[in-house]
Amino acid sequence: QKEVEQDPGPLSVPEGAIVSLNCTYSNSAFQYFMWYRQYSRKGPELLMYTYSSGNKEDGRFTAQVDKSSKYISLFIRDSQPSDSATYLCAMLNNFNKFYFGSGTKLNVKP
Amino acid sequence: DAGVIQSPRHEVTEMGQEVTLRCKPISGHDYLFWYRQTMMRGLELLIYFNNNVPIDDSGMPEDRFSAKMPNASFSTLKIQPSEPRDSAVYFCASSPPGTVSYEQYFGPGTRLTVT
Repeated sequence: QKEVEQDPGPLSVPEGAIVSLNCTYSNSAFQYFMWYRQYSRKGPELLMYTYSSGNKEDGRFTAQVDKSSKYISLFIRDSQPSDSATYLCAMLNNFNKFYFGSGTKLNVKP
Repeated sequence: DAGVIQSPRHEVTEMGQEVTLRCKPISGHDYLFWYRQTMMRGLELLIYFNNNVPIDDSGMPEDRFSAKMPNASFSTLKIQPSEPRDSAVYFCASSPPGTVSYEQYFGPGTRLTVT
């Protein structure tokens, strides 16, 4: 079983829709939870991070962590065509080691 | 400010040849990471350094892979001999000091094709 599981998609939504992206994980030692966005043929860029459980909001983006269920989510409100990218969840354990999900490809249609 | 710089951006080589990928981290960052990305396996951490010292190389696939960081502004990832299954995009990333490494800044990647 992989440490981090993420549905690869692709996920196709109309412009303005609310998007929900999710990851599950198996290691309860994860403390930091991140979402990275990767445009085609570019390196990933950090969107948001959350420490432990709870919600964090940044503009149109909300990150949610449920440690009891080992489940994290990223919500995008009022999605735009410029949000079309691959979204990778990532987690960090106590030993500063990163684990990435495989990424969900999102396509926002104008 | 310049971001993470990687060279070359594209590399095509024949099986058995030595390949060297280069990375210049963001000035002042003290963590450096090497990743490999493929469609099948996603983004995999190969090795990371802190203050030029290798901390975790458990992701290095086999002895054909080696990485060095001779100083704070330069790192190399070497594959010798290369094989077709090494074809992937290799990313270098760096993190600033005083933080856990969640805040990673990625370079543009090197697309490696081994024929």
